[in-house]
Amino acid sequence: KNEVEQSPQNLTAQEGEFITINCSYSVGISALHWLQQHPGGGIVSLFMLSSGKKKHGRLIATINIQEKHSSLHITASHPRDSAVYICAVRSYSGGGADGLTFGKGTHLIIQP
Amino acid sequence: DVKVTQSSRYLVKRTGEKVFLECVQDMDHENMFWYRQDPGLGLRLIYFSYDVKMKEKGDIPEGYSVSREKKERFSLILESASTNQTSMYLCASSLTGYGEKLFFGSGTQLSVL
Repeated sequence: KNEVEQSPQNLTAQEGEFITINCSYSVGISALHWLQQHPGGGIVSLFMLSSGKKKHGRLIATINIQEKHSSLHITASHPRDSAVYICAVRSYSGGGADGLTFGKGTHLIIQP
Repeated sequence: DVKVTQSSRYLVKRTGEKVFLECVQDMDHENMFWYRQDPGLGLRLIYFSYDVKMKEKGDIPEGYSVSREKKERFSLILESASTNQTSMYLCASSLTGYGEKLFFGSGTQLSVL
């Protein structure tokens, strides 16, 4: 079964700071998802990537397949970015019954 | 944009009650999923369905059943609710196959007293 570790677990930063959230996994994957969950519960898919880098607005996601590691960056952070960020990997083998293994999430708070 | 709608945002039930959680998606997605989310444990898959009337057990199916009579609707059933089923329940859907983007509902916070 793929082990997914996120760091840090909790992060508090000031508005405008550059934020990095990390995700490491133990077994080769076909895809990695970054998800965002705001207080209240709803989850939004931010990125799905299998190689390289993707950018959407102030969010950038990178993945290094050889090192089994992905990062989510937020530039010019804003209080509305406060949320839980979840990494999920789709494994070639192992993982949950649907092939997805979720990290426990990074709780980000951006203070004005 | 895809919309996944869960019927209730908050639900309070008593031990032993039969509970239905409904999920509807409006984009003709093949796959639908039910997860529960508990503090410190992350999301765990309960059941999923890849077609009408088809269902597969996830990692924690005990105490749950599902129904998918129509493509757009996936129901989670707690046959006899117990306090350890107090949790946030999230429904999701994806187009088809693996490696597709997931679309989530807003969740149902279920409390079983």
